[in-house]
Amino acid sequence: KNEVEQSPQNLTAQEGEFITINCSYSVGISALHWLQQHPGGGIVSLFMLSSGKKKHGRLIATINIQEKHSSLHITASHPRDSAVYICAVHGAQKLVFGQGTRLTINP
Amino acid sequence: DVKVTQSSRYLVKRTGEKVFLECVQDMDHENMFWYRQDPGLGLRLIYFSYDVKMKEKGDIPEGYSVSREKKERFSLILESASTNQTSMYLCASSSGTSGPYQYFGPGTRLTVT
Repeated sequence: KNEVEQSPQNLTAQEGEFITINCSYSVGISALHWLQQHPGGGIVSLFMLSSGKKKHGRLIATINIQEKHSSLHITASHPRDSAVYICAVHGAQKLVFGQGTRLTINP
Repeated sequence: DVKVTQSSRYLVKRTGEKVFLECVQDMDHENMFWYRQDPGLGLRLIYFSYDVKMKEKGDIPEGYSVSREKKERFSLILESASTNQTSMYLCASSSGTSGPYQYFGPGTRLTVT
């Protein structure tokens, strides 16, 4: 079993829909990252959080430390949100990554 | 803005060739990392370095070596490339003072034929 599990692996939705991507982990962590990777490869960090909730524009990330679970939400989704979203947890001195969720938003 | 650059976006090499992938960061970061990314497997850590001339094995170091002669540059070396090393390679860097936040390069898509 992977230390970091994301669901779903693939998600297709219509423009405007509310999107939720989930991440569960089994190790103790000091922080959790949500990353975005567009076609072409470059990865950008969306959020780093260790408790509670963070919001940036249409993106919201939450984490429940007791349940070892985090969610990434996208409100009013847009085709430009189409990308791979990656959850990564910071454990013992290194990041451990989930497999990623491929999100496609159709116009 | 932090910038992490990688020497090539796309690379095609033949089996048995020696391959060098270069990564340069411009923010005086102590820590640098090499990952490979494969469908269904996510990112996996190959090697990392927390100081010049220091290196540590990650989760999948077999078939790779690294070099860090200068703080800003971290090289990944495939001594004898094999087809199972066809992958996307990503470099990242972080500062000891910024905690676990890592800045990623654009990636190098390597194909070994």
